[in-house]
Amino acid sequence: DAGITQSPRHKVTETGTPVTLRCHQTENHRYMYWYRQDPGHGLRLIHYSYGVKDTDKGEVSDGYSVSRSKTEDFLLTLESATSSQTSVYFCAIKRQGTNYGYTFGSGTRLTVV
Amino acid sequence: GENVEQHPSTLSVQEGDSAVIKCTYSDSASNYFPWYKQELGKRPQLIIDIRSNVGEKKDQRIAVTLNKTAKHFSLHITETQPEDSAVYFCAAIFHSGAGSYQLTFGKGTKLSVIP
Repeated sequence: DAGITQSPRHKVTETGTPVTLRCHQTENHRYMYWYRQDPGHGLRLIHYSYGVKDTDKGEVSDGYSVSRSKTEDFLLTLESATSSQTSVYFCAIKRQGTNYGYTFGSGTRLTVV
Repeated sequence: GENVEQHPSTLSVQEGDSAVIKCTYSDSASNYFPWYKQELGKRPQLIIDIRSNVGEKKDQRIAVTLNKTAKHFSLHITETQPEDSAVYFCAAIFHSGAGSYQLTFGKGTKLSVIP
């Protein structure tokens, strides 16, 4: 849908376990982003990528890492999940051209118990 | 980095009335301001955007105004309908160097349109 797919859609995991979320795009866009959404906090940037192997931190990057080994995939890893990382995670792409608007994936609801 | 403040956090209006949501931003270099609508359980979707070289943009019942001097922008919805009920997010672009861009979002406004 809209050329961007997130997996899994839902996940429950235990505290201390590693978790990887995947964002896949089919349109060869350069910029990809990971946001988390929590009540009262809106959308906060975790990490973003501006090309293959080019990534940078956002405002809430602690406890998260990312990788982008190919254009179409942007992976978000929680090294050791904590309850504070229970959230809805959205991946986004910036479409080519002069428009800076993002297109979001459908989101991943992650629960850490 | 950029900071975006959004008000109010909740807004209730009668069907047919107008709704206004306001945002302020901190980075005077920001030049792009989109608005997103998020229905319950769904992804945020772009509904309108404005660039810094214009002061107002309209699309049917929605409009956005921008005051660059004061660093604030607003979303106006006229003749509200129940299907306008959603959470609305404003955002501002932040150029973080090396040709990279980030959107910083406000915390959202939950709009309820009462039939």
